[in-house]
Amino acid sequence: RKEVEQDPGPFNVPEGATVAFNCTYSNSASQSFFWYRQDCRKEPKLLMSVYSSGNEDGRFTAQLNRASQYISLLIRDSKLSDSATYLCVVFMEYGNKLVFGAGTILRVKS
Amino acid sequence: NAGVTQTPKFQVLKTGQSMTLQCAQDMNHNSMYWYRQDPGMGLRLIYYSASEGTTDKGEVPNGYNVSRLNKREFSLRLESAAPSQTSVYFCASSYRGDRGLHSNQPQHFGDGTRLSIL
Repeated sequence: RKEVEQDPGPFNVPEGATVAFNCTYSNSASQSFFWYRQDCRKEPKLLMSVYSSGNEDGRFTAQLNRASQYISLLIRDSKLSDSATYLCVVFMEYGNKLVFGAGTILRVKS
Repeated sequence: NAGVTQTPKFQVLKTGQSMTLQCAQDMNHNSMYWYRQDPGMGLRLIYYSASEGTTDKGEVPNGYNVSRLNKREFSLRLESAAPSQTSVYFCASSYRGDRGLHSNQPQHFGDGTRLSIL
């Protein structure tokens, strides 16, 4: 089992839609979680950090479910500019390392 | 406001050639990292440096060496390039976290080096 798993997608949604991605992780002791956004042929950029049960930043909400070992990213009122790959990143206490998921592709269409 | 700067942005090498990828950050971060990114896979850590003067192997260190020249600069060297090293390479930096050597702080990335080895 991979340490961090994401549905690769692609998720194809119309503008204005609400879309959610899940990310599961294997190490129950993990404490720190991040969502990054990566545009095609660009570097990953931090979208938000998730240190407790969740975080909200405008149209973006991240939620953490420790019991089921997953984090989710919810995007409301999708914009064309939200089209990108979203990377889930988990700090693994065991091994003391950051592990990146392979990413979920989102395509927002008009 | 440069952040993390990588050079070169593109490079084509022949098998067996050597080269060094350069990375510099101006955010006063302690920790620096080198990753490679291949299609369908997450970023994989090659080497990292928790602080000036220290370096440690990551998940895929074979075929690479690194140098933490000073707090700002962290270079990655391919001594004898192989086609399997064709990839996109990202350098990143972060503040040192409170979880030992490897930081649990968010990382800031350079814009990558696209390396092809023929």
